[in-house]
Amino acid sequence: EAQVTQNPRYLITVTGKKLTVTCSQNMNHEYMSWYRQDPGLGLRQIYYSMNVEVTDKGDVPEGYKVSRKEKRNFPLILESPSPNQTSLYFCASSVGRNTEAFFGQGTRLTVV
Amino acid sequence: GESVGLHLPTLSVQEGDNSIINCAYSNSASDYFIWYKQESGKGPQFIIDIRSNMDKRQGQRVTVLLNKTVKHLSLQIAATQPGDSAVYFCAEIPNNAGNMLTFGGGTRLMVKP
Repeated sequence: EAQVTQNPRYLITVTGKKLTVTCSQNMNHEYMSWYRQDPGLGLRQIYYSMNVEVTDKGDVPEGYKVSRKEKRNFPLILESPSPNQTSLYFCASSVGRNTEAFFGQGTRLTVV
Repeated sequence: GESVGLHLPTLSVQEGDNSIINCAYSNSASDYFIWYKQESGKGPQFIIDIRSNMDKRQGQRVTVLLNKTVKHLSLQIAATQPGDSAVYFCAEIPNNAGNMLTFGGGTRLMVKP
């Protein structure tokens, strides 16, 4: 089944403790991206990647890192999480730039 | 900066009626638009897309209309069903951006039985 898989689905952590949210797609898509979804602010793009070893900042990249060492994986790294990074995070992938994006099920992160 | 927005935050319709969800965008450089549906606890799900060289596109029970003159996008759902209850987002990709899919704030569609 074609899908985008994120892990974990739920995570509660403490301020400053590094964490990684993994994202994997099995559709051989070139494009992958990360979004955060907050009430009243909708979905905002954090980072995106157009291919292996090619990443770029989205609207809200501060406090986040990503890597794209393999085509199928695009982990989101929070080196020193803060409470304002408490949010619902979505990973997405697409064949190309102007094609539909497939989303994962989301990761609900709480930073206390 | 330029952004995608929506007119109505909540739309309530009777089952069987047609629904129209509207979206205004401000970036005239956008050349690709998508409507997504998000059910509670799930990620956004693609419904239909349209490119800027078109003004109408139809899918199964859904139609997207694009009016570039007034920068307006709409999603029409025919014979709305309870399963259509969700939050709907419009999104755009400007032709001068790498992969900057910009989402509107969302409209909640509630279908009354």
